[in-house]
Amino acid sequence: QVQLVQSGAEVKRPGASVKVSCKASGYTFTRYYMHWVRQAPGQGLEWMGLINPSGNYTMYAQKLQGRVTMTRDTSTSTDYMELSSLGSEDTAVYYCARDNSNTVAGIMGWWLDPWGQGTLVTVAS
Amino acid sequence: SSELTQDPAVSVALGQTVRITCQGDSLRSYYASWYQQKPGQAPILVIYVKNNRPSGIPDRFSGSNSGNTASLTIIGAQAEDEADYYCFSRDSSDTHWAFGGGTKLTVL
Repeated sequence: QVQLVQSGAEVKRPGASVKVSCKASGYTFTRYYMHWVRQAPGQGLEWMGLINPSGNYTMYAQKLQGRVTMTRDTSTSTDYMELSSLGSEDTAVYYCARDNSNTVAGIMGWWLDPWGQGTLVTVAS
Repeated sequence: SSELTQDPAVSVALGQTVRITCQGDSLRSYYASWYQQKPGQAPILVIYVKNNRPSGIPDRFSGSNSGNTASLTIIGAQAEDEADYYCFSRDSSDTHWAFGGGTKLTVL
């Protein structure tokens, strides 16, 4: 079955970096974009960015530009999201989610399915 | 702030019908998808591209679109539908994506 399995929880000091992995299985990895989404405690979902199927194009949310890097290893079907200069506001559960899209009646739509199980990143001194 | 606007909270009596809305300029040009999230769990897809349901999602869930508003309707809400619901689509710049702020659904 189509599945995304993420790396385990991390605790980081302020100013450090964290790298979260997302291993895909059950589908052709190089045919799909991957999005990253995060959720701070008690808050809503926040779109972080995406990486294209071949791993040579990324797009990031403006507020994270310069601190986030998304990469892809096609040999292991694994995506990575690295966030640097961590602050307490980066404490959140981080999710990877596969992109899907289609056009119906000339209108395009995107959906995220499946999702990884989430990785809790805690930033604390 | 989110460029897709949702009511923060909605309640519905058990067995009744509830509509959750998502407003944004981008919704005039693109479909939204909808996600259900229960405490401590990853979101799951419930509606995509106009009114499609993934396998396993009950047919009491449906989606619709009108102008700048996408709607998720639950006909005959059940206790297990109590959750947070998020819409997702292109943002108003048409270069990125965004989630709505989320709607907490309470089933009374």
